[in-house]
Amino acid sequence: DTGVSQDPRHKITKRGQNVTFRCDPISEHNRLYWYRQTLGQGPEFLTYFQNEAQLEKSRLLSDRFSAERPKGSFSTLEIQRTEQGDSAMYLCASSFPGRVNEQFFGPGTRLTVL
Amino acid sequence: QKEVEQDPGPLSVPEGAIVSLNCTYSNSAFQYFMWYRQYSRKGPELLMYTYSSGNKEDGRFTAQVDKSSKYISLFIRDSQPSDSATYLCAIVDRDDKIIFGKGTRLHILP
Repeated sequence: DTGVSQDPRHKITKRGQNVTFRCDPISEHNRLYWYRQTLGQGPEFLTYFQNEAQLEKSRLLSDRFSAERPKGSFSTLEIQRTEQGDSAMYLCASSFPGRVNEQFFGPGTRLTVL
Repeated sequence: QKEVEQDPGPLSVPEGAIVSLNCTYSNSAFQYFMWYRQYSRKGPELLMYTYSSGNKEDGRFTAQVDKSSKYISLFIRDSQPSDSATYLCAIVDRDDKIIFGKGTRLHILP
């Protein structure tokens, strides 16, 4: 399968714990995006990378959130000291540079914070 | 006003009917308009995109942009139960980010 993959698909954690999600983009894609989606809403932009450089972060990305893409391939999104309000689907997408209108999404990681 | 507005539905239509899904947007400078389909508990899947105004057709799907009224539409002909999903409209904003609508839940009744 050459699409975008995410791991894990589901994560249940207790409030205050740290969690880390992984995204593997389509191999030829330089850009990698993270989104958050809550029930009944469309995905909301969190941050994106071009190769290993993090180029933009949304104000939704509080200081408890950190994302990395150390070698310009896979990316991780870490949430520290999780809160119940962090419960959501975390989506990763990738694209070629200049083709932001053609982003391909992974299946998402569903986070539940108890 | 939100940048992209979309009626969340749900919208229920009988199999074989023509479905019309719509969004409005706020900024006349937007140039790229996309439609994504999202099945329950899955990631969004790009259906089609249009640049500027006009129509684009792909099989049973037609996307339409009316820049004068800032209105974007997706038409589905000969709707099938497998078309039941949430349909998200989206635009590329001036900072090169995608802004999504809330999505419209569509049910095709067999």
